[in-house]
Amino acid sequence: DTAVSQTPKYLVTQMGNDKSIKCEQNLGHDTMYWYKQDSKKFLKIMFSYNNKELIINETVPNRFSPKSPDKAHLNLHINSLELGDSAVYFCASSPGPVGTQYFGPGTRLLVL
Amino acid sequence: KNEVEQSPQNLTAQEGEFITINCSYSVGISALHWLQQHPGGGIVSLFMLSSGKKKHGRLIATINIQEKHSSLHITASHPRDSAVYICAAHNNNDMRFGAGTRLTVKP
Repeated sequence: DTAVSQTPKYLVTQMGNDKSIKCEQNLGHDTMYWYKQDSKKFLKIMFSYNNKELIINETVPNRFSPKSPDKAHLNLHINSLELGDSAVYFCASSPGPVGTQYFGPGTRLLVL
Repeated sequence: KNEVEQSPQNLTAQEGEFITINCSYSVGISALHWLQQHPGGGIVSLFMLSSGKKKHGRLIATINIQEKHSSLHITASHPRDSAVYICAAHNNNDMRFGAGTRLTVKP
């Protein structure tokens, strides 16, 4: 069983579209994260979500919104996609706010 | 200047060599993470440290809080260790990542 899963694995879409990436963890963890890895392979945290408290990296455009229907899921919605949004997006979870993180396989987003 | 600096950027070693990757950070931390990113892109957490030293198999991670420095060591390196190794400074809800060290171990 995959501990942290993401769907889809690949997403190709046009500029201006709205898309969602789903993340699910079956580890019973309380904290989930979204990261963006750009073309230079640099990782940046976008959001962390712990016990219904959302912490947003202030540099993330408000076109990005995380939504957590329950503790096991943290989905990422992106409105009005731009070329610069092309990247690999990783979801991760950890038992608590500071703990070993378990990463999903990543979603490769390409905006044309 | 990045708040988390790794060295070297690239490292090529022969199988069996002892490897050291360094990480210096300028932010306060609650923990420091070492991650491994495989050539296929998957990311695995190797260590989470807040003090001292941890060992897992052939991997050892150390941290010096006063000097704001951590090292990742690989003993008896093997071609399957070839990957990008990333350190990350974790402070409350913020994570700052190094640029990664690309390790290639040749047979």
